[in-house]
Amino acid sequence: EDKVVQSPLSLVVHEGDTVTLNCSYEVTNFRSLLWYKQEKKAPTFLFMLTSSGIEKKSGRLSSILDKKELFSILNITATQTGDSAVYLCAVEAGNQFYFGTGTSLTVIP
Amino acid sequence: GAVVSQHPSRVICKSGTSVKIECRSLDFQATTMFWYRQFPKQSLMLMATSNEGSKATYEQGVEKDKFLINHASLTLSTLTVTSAHPEDSSFYICSAQDRRSLAQHFGDGTRLSIL
Repeated sequence: EDKVVQSPLSLVVHEGDTVTLNCSYEVTNFRSLLWYKQEKKAPTFLFMLTSSGIEKKSGRLSSILDKKELFSILNITATQTGDSAVYLCAVEAGNQFYFGTGTSLTVIP
Repeated sequence: GAVVSQHPSRVICKSGTSVKIECRSLDFQATTMFWYRQFPKQSLMLMATSNEGSKATYEQGVEKDKFLINHASLTLSTLTVTSAHPEDSSFYICSAQDRRSLAQHFGDGTRLSIL
């Protein structure tokens, strides 16, 4: 069974658009949810979320966690071509990490 | 969906022991697999790229004699931490690249604790 589900699988937008990426999870002993940006090989850490309702923000990116409904969203405003990447969501639960399959974002000029 | 099985999920052993971690792609073939180490600030550090049938490519600063990688088939790569010491305690994660779609799929990781 998939413990972490990301949607959509793939997204193509124009520069300037705002996108929302979704990550839902179903795990026991939840500890944290992490978002990564993967462009080449090693994912780049974006956010770690542990508490519900507290928005984390970094430039045009923001993320929030809902521990009651078991999901998180990653928002990117005013997208740029450099935002094109695979965005990974991972949930730390107990002693393990569970990764989603990622959302592939393509930003067209 | 594509599944990558990483085994074991948790290892606790004494200093000086060698530990082998397996990474298997269960329903796809992976010519390339990646091994990562998770650091406390949640950044994933790429250790090496494993290519089926050839030697692994190690990132700068990673000791190839310490972290032995074998990619014996299109569905299996192994990482052996030789003569492990407490500073090797960490979370090790593999990912496998689907040879057809080129998508990377991650394993659930192995938490290694060296006493």
